[in-house]
Amino acid sequence: SAVISQKPSRDICQRGTSLTIQCQVDSQVTMMFWYRQQPGQSLTLIATANQGSEATYESGFVIDKFPISRPNLTFSTLTVSNMSPEDSSIYLCSVEDRAGGPDEQFFGPGTRLTVL
Amino acid sequence: GQNIDQPTEMTATEGAIVQINCTYQTSGFNGLFWYQQHAGEAPTFLSYNVLDGLEEKGRFSSFLSRSKGYSYLLLKELQMKDSASYLCAVKDSNYQLIWGAGTKLIIKP
Repeated sequence: SAVISQKPSRDICQRGTSLTIQCQVDSQVTMMFWYRQQPGQSLTLIATANQGSEATYESGFVIDKFPISRPNLTFSTLTVSNMSPEDSSIYLCSVEDRAGGPDEQFFGPGTRLTVL
Repeated sequence: GQNIDQPTEMTATEGAIVQINCTYQTSGFNGLFWYQQHAGEAPTFLSYNVLDGLEEKGRFSSFLSRSKGYSYLLLKELQMKDSASYLCAVKDSNYQLIWGAGTKLIIKP
């Protein structure tokens, strides 16, 4: 299984600022995803990070607010731009290696973001 | 629209058995997953079903009926460490994971 690290693990930010979250995987993976999880709720997919091309965003999420980079097969960043208190959440990076098997997703430890 | 339903919360006793149900309505089906998520931690993979029937993995088993759009996760010999949220997720025709809201399982001594 892939080992995933995220930086920062948590942050407290001021309204109107931006935060970039990094996701590093210990092996090359095909699919990388960014999720948001509000307290006590399930996972909401923000976007799929595509290597070498623009990310694919889900309904309700736009590139201007959540720009994503995927420069190679082991690394991605998610930026939360012009933050408001409504952006307070846990942001999770996950990977899926479609090399056979059930293609389960593995998750990073998450970034807990609080916006004041 | 696509929908996955799970009970919000369940309570069970240490040493007992509990069954967590999941019903789904999705555009296509390419497998059903169960994940465990302890409070403050990331989800971890538990089981996968793509064919009808029961998959057993130690104390945990997962069942699938594709015709009924139904699955359950069965946890036996419950331990206090099993207190967590259990998430049901289905891969649709586009191989995208659709997530349920999760079932919070509380284990009492």
